[in-house]
Amino acid sequence: DGGITQSPKYLFRKEGQNVTLSCEQNLNHDAMYWYRQDPGQGLRLIYYSQIVNDFQKGDIAEGYSVSREKKESFPLTVTSAQKNPTAFYLCASSVTSGSHSYNEQFFGPGTRLTVL
Amino acid sequence: GQQVMQIPQYQHVQEGEDFTTYCNSSTTLSNIQWYKQRPGGHPVFLIQLVKSGEVKKQKRLTFQFGEAKKNSSLHITATQTTDVGTYFCAAKTYNQGGKLIFGQGTELSVKP
Repeated sequence: DGGITQSPKYLFRKEGQNVTLSCEQNLNHDAMYWYRQDPGQGLRLIYYSQIVNDFQKGDIAEGYSVSREKKESFPLTVTSAQKNPTAFYLCASSVTSGSHSYNEQFFGPGTRLTVL
Repeated sequence: GQQVMQIPQYQHVQEGEDFTTYCNSSTTLSNIQWYKQRPGGHPVFLIQLVKSGEVKKQKRLTFQFGEAKKNSSLHITATQTTDVGTYFCAAKTYNQGGKLIFGQGTELSVKP
């Protein structure tokens, strides 16, 4: 059963702690993405990766870090430097990327992070 | 950075009424996609528009891409309670690499 999974669904952390959100896909997609969603602000791109061992900053990368050691996995670390980390985090993947690629993005179910 | 403006932010309709959401960009777009996010869920791809002036239909949903490839709309005819959710446009430009730029979304509520 192909798809994209994120875990956990809900996550609580104390302020000042780093936390890593998992994202795995078995769709054989080259490109993966991390978005942050806040009420009324749509989806904002944190980081994206077009190929293994390579990734680029999105629009709001400060306070976050990623790695892409395997094609299937793109974990996101929310560091203590992120000033307002409480949000809904969505991971997505697509076959390829690029301005002339016409591939839809498939989203995981999301992780709702609450920092206390 | 590059922005895609989407309006309205909220729309409340009576079941059976029509609904339209609009997306506008100041620059020419490579293509535009539309997604639907049900309450508590994640965005799900609906459709993609690539050609200037393109119109596509999915049952009661009609999607349009402007002639100048700078704007797009989603129109729902005779809304049903199953249409509830937030509708996002997401666009690619020619100078932003592989990034999709999402509009702010339009949250649709339907009163039975």
